[in-house]
Amino acid sequence: QVQLMESGPGLVQPSETLSLTCTVSGFSLTSYNVHWVRQPPGKGLEWMGVMWSGGSTDYNSALKSRLSISRDTSKNQVFLKMNSLQSEDTTTYYCARDEATVAPYFDYWGQGVMVTVSS
Amino acid sequence: DIQMTQSPTSLAASVGESVTITCLASEDIYGSLVWYQQKPGKSPQLLIYGATILEDGIPSRFSGSGSDTQYSLKINSLQPEDFASYYCQNGLSTPYTFGAGTKLELK
Repeated sequence: QVQLMESGPGLVQPSETLSLTCTVSGFSLTSYNVHWVRQPPGKGLEWMGVMWSGGSTDYNSALKSRLSISRDTSKNQVFLKMNSLQSEDTTTYYCARDEATVAPYFDYWGQGVMVTVSS
Repeated sequence: DIQMTQSPTSLAASVGESVTITCLASEDIYGSLVWYQQKPGKSPQLLIYGATILEDGIPSRFSGSGSDTQYSLKINSLQPEDFASYYCQNGLSTPYTFGAGTKLELK
Protein backbone atom coordinates (compact mmCIF):
# COMPACT_ATOMS: atom_id res chain seq x y z
CA GLN A 1 0.00 0.00 0.00
CA VAL A 2 0.98 3.63 -0.38
CA GLN A 3 3.09 4.96 2.44
CA LEU A 4 5.24 8.00 3.05
CA MET A 5 7.48 8.32 6.08
CA GLU A 6 9.45 11.36 7.13
CA SER A 7 12.64 11.01 9.13
CA GLY A 8 15.18 13.41 10.50
CA PRO A 9 16.56 15.01 13.64
CA GLY A 10 14.11 16.18 16.23
CA LEU A 11 16.39 18.98 17.36
CA VAL A 12 18.44 21.39 15.29
CA GLN A 13 20.66 24.21 16.48
CA PRO A 14 19.82 27.76 15.37
CA SER A 15 21.56 28.79 12.15
CA GLU A 16 22.25 25.17 11.22
CA THR A 17 20.86 23.11 8.35
CA LEU A 18 17.88 20.78 8.56
CA SER A 19 17.97 17.57 6.58
CA LEU A 20 14.82 15.47 6.26
CA THR A 21 14.09 12.34 4.28
CA CYS A 22 10.74 11.18 2.94
CA THR A 23 10.83 7.46 2.20
CA VAL A 24 7.96 6.27 0.05
CA SER A 25 6.53 2.88 -0.82
CA GLY A 26 3.69 1.62 -2.93
CA PHE A 27 4.29 4.05 -5.77
CA SER A 28 7.03 5.35 -8.01
CA LEU A 29 8.65 8.75 -7.65
CA THR A 30 8.82 8.94 -11.42
CA SER A 31 5.03 8.73 -11.66
CA TYR A 32 3.94 10.87 -8.72
CA ASN A 33 4.94 14.23 -7.31
CA VAL A 34 6.04 14.64 -3.69
CA HIS A 35 5.42 17.85 -1.80
CA TRP A 36 6.71 19.15 1.50
CA VAL A 37 4.29 20.95 3.82
CA ARG A 38 4.95 22.27 7.30
CA GLN A 39 2.78 23.22 10.24
CA PRO A 40 3.86 25.16 13.33
CA PRO A 41 2.34 23.95 16.60
CA GLY A 42 -1.30 24.93 16.77
CA LYS A 43 -1.17 26.78 13.45
CA GLY A 44 -2.00 26.29 9.80
CA LEU A 45 -0.35 24.55 6.89
CA GLU A 46 2.39 26.04 4.72
CA TRP A 47 3.35 24.58 1.37
CA MET A 48 7.12 24.49 1.05
CA GLY A 49 7.97 22.94 -2.26
CA VAL A 50 7.64 20.00 -4.62
CA MET A 51 9.71 17.37 -6.37
CA TRP A 52 7.89 16.80 -9.63
CA SER A 53 7.81 13.30 -11.05
CA GLY A 54 10.01 14.42 -13.92
CA GLY A 55 12.75 15.47 -11.51
CA SER A 56 12.33 19.24 -11.46
CA THR A 57 11.44 21.26 -8.39
CA ASP A 58 9.42 24.28 -7.35
CA TYR A 59 9.72 26.18 -4.12
CA ASN A 60 7.71 28.61 -2.03
CA SER A 61 9.34 31.93 -2.77
CA ALA A 62 9.29 32.75 0.94
CA LEU A 63 11.67 29.85 1.56
CA LYS A 64 13.42 29.51 -1.79
CA SER A 65 16.73 31.03 -0.72
CA ARG A 66 17.08 28.49 2.10
CA LEU A 67 15.41 25.39 0.68
CA SER A 68 16.55 22.53 -1.51
CA ILE A 69 14.60 19.42 -2.49
CA SER A 70 16.20 16.44 -4.18
CA ARG A 71 15.55 12.73 -4.60
CA ASP A 72 17.08 9.30 -5.07
CA THR A 73 14.64 7.26 -7.12
CA SER A 74 16.62 4.05 -6.57
CA LYS A 75 16.01 4.38 -2.84
CA ASN A 76 12.48 5.78 -3.17
CA GLN A 77 13.49 8.81 -1.17
CA VAL A 78 12.91 12.55 -1.40
CA PHE A 79 15.13 14.88 0.56
CA LEU A 80 14.57 18.32 2.04
CA LYS A 81 17.40 20.55 3.12
CA MET A 82 16.84 23.95 4.65
CA ASN A 83 19.60 26.15 5.98
CA SER A 84 19.85 29.03 8.43
CA LEU A 85 17.21 27.62 10.72
CA GLN A 86 15.57 29.90 13.24
CA SER A 87 13.03 29.40 16.02
CA GLU A 88 10.15 30.05 13.62
CA ASP A 89 11.19 26.92 11.74
CA THR A 90 10.13 24.86 14.76
CA THR A 91 7.28 22.95 13.22
CA THR A 92 6.03 19.60 12.02
CA TYR A 93 7.20 18.75 8.53
CA TYR A 94 5.11 16.54 6.26
CA CYS A 95 5.70 15.01 2.88
CA ALA A 96 2.67 14.27 0.74
CA ARG A 97 1.93 12.59 -2.57
CA ASP A 98 0.16 14.14 -5.53
CA GLU A 99 -0.83 12.29 -8.68
CA ALA A 100 -2.63 15.06 -10.47
CA THR A 101 -1.36 16.08 -13.86
CA VAL A 102 -3.19 19.39 -13.86
CA ALA A 103 -4.15 20.60 -10.40
CA PRO A 104 -2.46 18.88 -7.50
CA TYR A 105 -4.16 17.42 -4.47
CA PHE A 106 -2.42 15.49 -1.75
CA ASP A 107 -4.03 12.07 -1.37
CA TYR A 108 -1.46 10.48 0.93
CA TRP A 109 0.56 12.13 3.67
CA GLY A 110 3.34 10.98 5.93
CA GLN A 111 2.82 11.01 9.67
CA GLY A 112 4.99 14.10 10.00
CA VAL A 113 8.21 14.77 11.86
CA MET A 114 8.43 17.41 14.55
CA VAL A 115 11.56 19.53 14.42
CA THR A 116 12.56 21.91 17.20
CA VAL A 117 15.09 24.64 16.57
CA SER A 118 16.85 25.38 19.84
CA SER A 119 20.28 25.61 21.37
CA ASP B 1 0.86 34.48 -4.62
CA ILE B 2 -2.80 33.48 -4.36
CA GLN B 3 -4.21 34.23 -0.91
CA MET B 4 -6.86 31.92 0.52
CA THR B 5 -9.22 33.47 3.07
CA GLN B 6 -11.16 30.91 5.01
CA SER B 7 -14.14 31.59 7.26
CA PRO B 8 -15.13 31.20 9.94
CA THR B 9 -11.98 30.66 11.96
CA SER B 10 -13.94 28.53 14.39
CA LEU B 11 -17.39 27.11 14.49
CA ALA B 12 -19.40 25.36 17.18
CA ALA B 13 -22.12 22.93 16.19
CA SER B 14 -24.01 19.93 17.46
CA VAL B 15 -24.18 16.39 16.20
CA GLY B 16 -26.78 16.18 13.47
CA GLU B 17 -26.49 19.80 12.40
CA SER B 18 -25.21 20.99 9.03
CA VAL B 19 -22.38 23.48 8.66
CA THR B 20 -20.75 25.38 5.82
CA ILE B 21 -17.17 26.61 5.63
CA THR B 22 -16.18 29.09 2.97
CA CYS B 23 -12.93 29.85 1.21
CA LEU B 24 -12.24 32.94 -0.85
CA ALA B 25 -9.33 33.02 -3.27
CA SER B 26 -7.62 36.30 -4.10
CA GLU B 27 -7.99 35.49 -7.79
CA ASP B 28 -9.85 33.06 -9.98
CA ILE B 29 -8.52 29.54 -9.37
CA TYR B 30 -10.76 27.94 -11.97
CA GLY B 31 -12.13 25.28 -9.66
CA SER B 32 -8.69 24.10 -8.49
CA LEU B 33 -9.73 24.02 -4.86
CA VAL B 34 -8.94 21.27 -2.38
CA TRP B 35 -10.35 20.59 1.09
CA TYR B 36 -8.62 18.67 3.87
CA GLN B 37 -9.66 17.55 7.32
CA GLN B 38 -7.13 17.36 10.13
CA LYS B 39 -7.63 15.86 13.55
CA PRO B 40 -5.34 16.71 16.49
CA GLY B 41 -1.99 15.01 16.25
CA LYS B 42 -2.76 13.57 12.81
CA SER B 43 -1.83 14.34 9.25
CA PRO B 44 -4.34 16.13 7.03
CA GLN B 45 -6.74 13.92 5.11
CA LEU B 46 -7.97 14.71 1.62
CA LEU B 47 -11.72 15.28 1.45
CA ILE B 48 -12.50 17.03 -1.83
CA TYR B 49 -10.52 18.09 -4.88
CA GLY B 50 -11.43 19.98 -8.00
CA ALA B 51 -13.82 21.94 -5.77
CA THR B 52 -16.54 19.28 -5.95
CA ILE B 53 -15.01 15.81 -6.36
CA LEU B 54 -15.30 13.64 -3.27
CA GLU B 55 -12.22 11.55 -2.53
CA ASP B 56 -12.81 7.81 -2.42
CA GLY B 57 -13.97 6.66 0.99
CA ILE B 58 -15.15 10.06 2.16
CA PRO B 59 -18.78 10.02 3.35
CA SER B 60 -21.34 11.65 1.12
CA ARG B 61 -22.37 14.06 3.88
CA PHE B 62 -19.34 16.08 2.78
CA SER B 63 -19.81 18.17 -0.34
CA GLY B 64 -17.97 20.96 -2.08
CA SER B 65 -19.16 23.73 -4.32
CA GLY B 66 -18.04 26.96 -5.86
CA SER B 67 -16.24 28.50 -8.77
CA ASP B 68 -13.98 31.39 -9.69
CA THR B 69 -12.89 32.80 -6.34
CA GLN B 70 -15.60 31.54 -3.96
CA TYR B 71 -15.82 27.99 -2.61
CA SER B 72 -17.65 26.16 0.13
CA LEU B 73 -17.45 22.94 2.06
CA LYS B 74 -20.73 21.68 3.49
CA ILE B 75 -21.06 18.95 6.04
CA ASN B 76 -24.54 17.56 6.48
CA SER B 77 -25.73 15.75 9.58
CA LEU B 78 -22.53 16.18 11.60
CA GLN B 79 -21.12 13.05 13.14
CA PRO B 80 -18.87 12.94 16.24
CA GLU B 81 -15.84 12.13 14.08
CA ASP B 82 -16.33 15.30 12.01
CA PHE B 83 -15.19 17.64 14.78
CA ALA B 84 -11.78 18.61 13.50
CA SER B 85 -9.98 21.37 11.63
CA TYR B 86 -10.61 21.98 7.96
CA TYR B 87 -8.31 23.62 5.43
CA CYS B 88 -8.81 24.76 1.87
CA GLN B 89 -5.94 24.87 -0.59
CA ASN B 90 -5.23 26.61 -3.86
CA GLY B 91 -4.44 23.93 -6.40
CA LEU B 92 -3.97 26.22 -9.37
CA SER B 93 -0.45 27.52 -9.07
CA THR B 94 2.58 27.54 -6.84
CA PRO B 95 2.84 28.28 -4.02
CA TYR B 96 -0.09 25.97 -3.30
CA THR B 97 -1.34 28.14 -0.47
CA PHE B 98 -3.67 26.98 2.26
CA GLY B 99 -6.41 28.81 4.08
CA ALA B 100 -5.77 29.50 7.75
CA GLY B 101 -8.16 26.77 8.77
CA THR B 102 -11.54 26.37 10.44
CA LYS B 103 -11.80 24.57 13.74
CA LEU B 104 -15.13 22.80 14.05
CA GLU B 105 -15.97 22.22 17.69
CA LEU B 106 -18.74 20.42 19.48
CA LYS B 107 -21.32 22.75 20.96
